[in-house]
Amino acid sequence: NAGVTQTPKFRVLKTGQSMTLLCAQDMNHEYMYWYRQDPGMGLRLIHYSVGEGTTAKGEVPDGYNVSRLKKQNFLLGLESAAPSQTSVYFCASFTYGGRVAGEQFFGPGTRLTVL
Amino acid sequence: AQSVAQPEDQVNVAEGNPLTVKCTYSVSGNPYLFWYVQYPNRGLQFLLKYITGDNLVKGSYGFEAEFNKSQTSFHLKKPSALVSDSALYFCAVSPSGYSTLTFGKGTMLLVSP
Repeated sequence: NAGVTQTPKFRVLKTGQSMTLLCAQDMNHEYMYWYRQDPGMGLRLIHYSVGEGTTAKGEVPDGYNVSRLKKQNFLLGLESAAPSQTSVYFCASFTYGGRVAGEQFFGPGTRLTVL
Repeated sequence: AQSVAQPEDQVNVAEGNPLTVKCTYSVSGNPYLFWYVQYPNRGLQFLLKYITGDNLVKGSYGFEAEFNKSQTSFHLKKPSALVSDSALYFCAVSPSGYSTLTFGKGTMLLVSP
C-alpha cells in the first residue's frame, strides 16, 4: 500500500506557464482534497471531490482547476501560473468506515515555485 | 463560517517536561476537532480527534487533547516531551462529520535535549 502519492515532488515554473499536479491513492477512498500550505497561513483547501466525476470549490479555488476522471486520481491544474501560486501543495484522501471526514490521509507534498 | 486560532507560533519545552499546544475554535453547533502533526518535509499525519463524549481524548504517540466547551478550546498535551516530538502541529475544526476541515496556522514545537 503506497497510500497517497504526489507527482512531481518539486517543480519550478515561469509566470504564465501551465502544469498539472497528480495525486494518486490506492486505498479506494471516495473523497480527495487539494490544499496549499503557505508560511503563517496553515493549510487552505483549494478544491475537493466526493467521488469519481465530481469536484467542488474550496476556500481558495481561483487560478486552479481540477479533474477526477478516475476514483484513484485527482489532478490539480494551473493554467497560467502566477508567483502568488508559489506554495507547497498537499493532496489528501478519506473514506468512511468508522472514521469522520476530518481523518484524512495526506500525501508527501509538491513544492512549486513560480518565477 | 468556522475558524481556528493557534495563538503561539512556537512552543519551546525541555525533554521530559510536559507540553501544551493551544487551540481555540469557532464553529456553529457541536464541533468536530482534530490535531495533525507535520514532520519536516513530510505530509500531515492525523493524531487525534474529538467528536463527543469524554473531554480528554487520547491519540497517537502519547498525545492527548482536552476539549473545553465553555472556553471553546482544544489544547494538545503530552505528559513528557521527547526530542522526536519536535514538529509542526495543526489544529482543525469541522461543523460535522461530513464537512471539510478548517485548519489553524500551525504551531512549531521544539523540544530541546
